[in-house]
Amino acid sequence: QKEVEQDPGPLSVPEGAIVSLNCTYSNSAFQYFMWYRQYSRKGPELLMYTYSSGNKEDGRFTAQVDKSSKYISLFIRDSQPSDSATYLCASFPAGGTSYGKLTFGQGTILTVHP
Amino acid sequence: DGGITQSPKYLFRKEGQNVTLSCEQNLNHDAMYWYRQDPGQGLRLIYYSQIVNDFQKGDIAEGYSVSREKKESFPLTVTSAQKNPTAFYLCASDQQGRTEAFFGQGTRLTVV
Repeated sequence: QKEVEQDPGPLSVPEGAIVSLNCTYSNSAFQYFMWYRQYSRKGPELLMYTYSSGNKEDGRFTAQVDKSSKYISLFIRDSQPSDSATYLCASFPAGGTSYGKLTFGQGTILTVHP
Repeated sequence: DGGITQSPKYLFRKEGQNVTLSCEQNLNHDAMYWYRQDPGQGLRLIYYSQIVNDFQKGDIAEGYSVSREKKESFPLTVTSAQKNPTAFYLCASDQQGRTEAFFGQGTRLTVV
């Protein structure tokens, strides 16, 4: 079993829809949770991160972590065609010696059509 | 502008050849990483280095080698021992105590 599981999709939604992207994880030591966005043939870029449980909002994006169920979510409101990309969830434990040593999910391919 | 530069963007390798992928950063980050990305598998860690002249194997190090002679540079060699090298390779760097890892734009390696 992978430590971070993510439905690869693909997911296709109309412009303006609310998008829900989800991951589950199995390592109870994970404390930091990230969402990266990756456009085609590009490197990933950090979209949001959260520490432990709770919600974090940034514009149209909301990241949510439920540690009791080991569930990670990213919500995109009023989705735009420019949101079309692969979304990767990632995590690492507290006390790790380096933040870049992340465990990634498989990535979900999202397409927002006009 | 600060960032991570990977070169080349596309690379073709013949069977039995070693090839080296370049990664340079001007962010003054201590740590650097190499990931491999295959369709449907996310990113998998190949090697990482937290300081100059030191590096550690990641989850899939077999068939790869690295060096870290300078803080700015972390080249990856894909050796002939790597049986399935066709993939998208990503280099990243970060700084201890920060939460964001910065990625390069990747090198797509194809065996011909």
